[in-house]
Amino acid sequence: DSGVTQTPKHLITATGQRVTLRCSPRSGDLSVYWYQQSLDQGLQFLIQYYNGEERAKGNILERFSAQQFPDLHSELNLSSLELGDSALYFCASSAGADWFEKLFFGSGTQLSVL
Amino acid sequence: AQSVTQPDIHITVSEGASLELRCNYSYGATPYLFWYVQSPGQGLQLLLKYFSGDTLVQGIKGFEAEFKRSQSSFNLRKPSVHWSDAAEYFCAVGQANQAGTALIFGKGTTLSVSS
Repeated sequence: DSGVTQTPKHLITATGQRVTLRCSPRSGDLSVYWYQQSLDQGLQFLIQYYNGEERAKGNILERFSAQQFPDLHSELNLSSLELGDSALYFCASSAGADWFEKLFFGSGTQLSVL
Repeated sequence: AQSVTQPDIHITVSEGASLELRCNYSYGATPYLFWYVQSPGQGLQLLLKYFSGDTLVQGIKGFEAEFKRSQSSFNLRKPSVHWSDAAEYFCAVGQANQAGTALIFGKGTTLSVSS
């Protein structure tokens, strides 16, 4: 168990809908990272938050947004969903701000857009 | 931009045999390199990392990797594979640009272990 909790584990929704994925980092970790894993694109970095502030941005679509709350949990919001958004979404956490620190990954949220 | 290539999509190795998973990176300076493993239904777990110094790094679960600058490679090895090693393995490189820093992953190599 990595200590990173993601909910829900599975999510099935329809095109055009909006969903929210939740991540609780390991106790004491200040950074949260979001990754999208799909068969064609592999594991893609979306965004990183550190202590409530956005720190790094990757291939995140404008339809997607994230935030980190004062209790350090993070939410990834996906809107106007398309079939191609179906993927496994991972959250990871680390103690500090720098990417080279060890990342601890959650088990992921499997999103299916029908 | 930095990138990682894992040439082998799927590898099957007999239990007890040696293993080498290939990883090639593209990066201008000395890269920060990582190997992660993903077991079915699980998140990724760090096996080992290379920042600088000794080019042969030891990791968990008996894995090691060797950084070869001349070949832009960071191959993962294990002398004797166990059935529990069956998983997906990801090589990653650290990327730094104006947007911040992040880990860039390869597309992964699936390892199957035959008895």
